Amino acid sequence: DAGVIQSPRHEVTEMGQEVTLRCKPISGHNSLFWYRQTMMRGLELLIYFNNNVPIDDSGMPEDRFSAKMPNASFSTLKIQPSEPRDSAVYFCASSLAGANGNTIYFGEGSWLTVV
Amino acid sequence: GDSVTQMEGPVTLSEEAFLTINCTYTATGYPSLFWYVQYPGEGLQLLLKATKADDKGSNKGFEATYRKETTSFHLEKGSVQVSDSAVYFCALSSGGSNYKLTFGKGTLLTVNP
Repeated sequence: DAGVIQSPRHEVTEMGQEVTLRCKPISGHNSLFWYRQTMMRGLELLIYFNNNVPIDDSGMPEDRFSAKMPNASFSTLKIQPSEPRDSAVYFCASSLAGANGNTIYFGEGSWLTVV
Repeated sequence: GDSVTQMEGPVTLSEEAFLTINCTYTATGYPSLFWYVQYPGEGLQLLLKATKADDKGSNKGFEATYRKETTSFHLEKGSVQVSDSAVYFCALSSGGSNYKLTFGKGTLLTVNP
C-alpha cells in the first residue's frame, strides 16, 4: 500500500517567494497532520484536520502560513512570503482516527531551505 | 496538558551493547504510547506501540512496556547493531477527540562497530 506521499522532497527558494508543500494521505484515513521539524525546536504540530476540517491550527506560526484540505486525498501547506527562519523539514502524516490506537503514519518529509 | 519526557542524548554504544532509552509521560485519561524512529535523512517510522496498561510493544528486537503506575514507556533492546543508529522519539496520543501525537524531543543513538 502507498504511504503518505509528499512533494516536493527538497526545495530551495529565495526569501519572499511563495512555497507550496503538498500531501496525499493514506487512502481511507480521515485525519491529516502537518508537522515541522527543526534542530532548535524539534517536532512541532502545525495543524491537523479531521474529515477535511481544520480542528486545531494553534501551532501555525503566523499568518504567513496557511493550510488547506479541499478533499480527503489532498492537502497543501503554503508559506507566503517565505523567510530564512522557515527552513525546516515539513512532515505530513495521516491516521484513521479512533482506530489502531490512533497510529499516525508519516510521509518522508519536504526539506525546505529559504535563502 | 499532555507531555512526554525522554532522556536526552546523544547516546553512544558499541555494537551488541544493551540499550535503554527512558520515556515518561503526563496525560489525562488512558493514552496510547508509541516509539517512532527516524533514520538519517528520512521521515519518522512507527517502531512499536502499546494501547493499554501492561501491554508490551515489540518490533525488530526493540521492546517497551506500558507502565501506568510509573507513567513510563522505556525502550529497550538487548543487542544493538550499527544499523540501529537513528533518532528515537517517544510519543503519546490521548485518544478520544484528541487524535494528535505529543512527541518527546528525541534521543540520538549512535552505535559504533
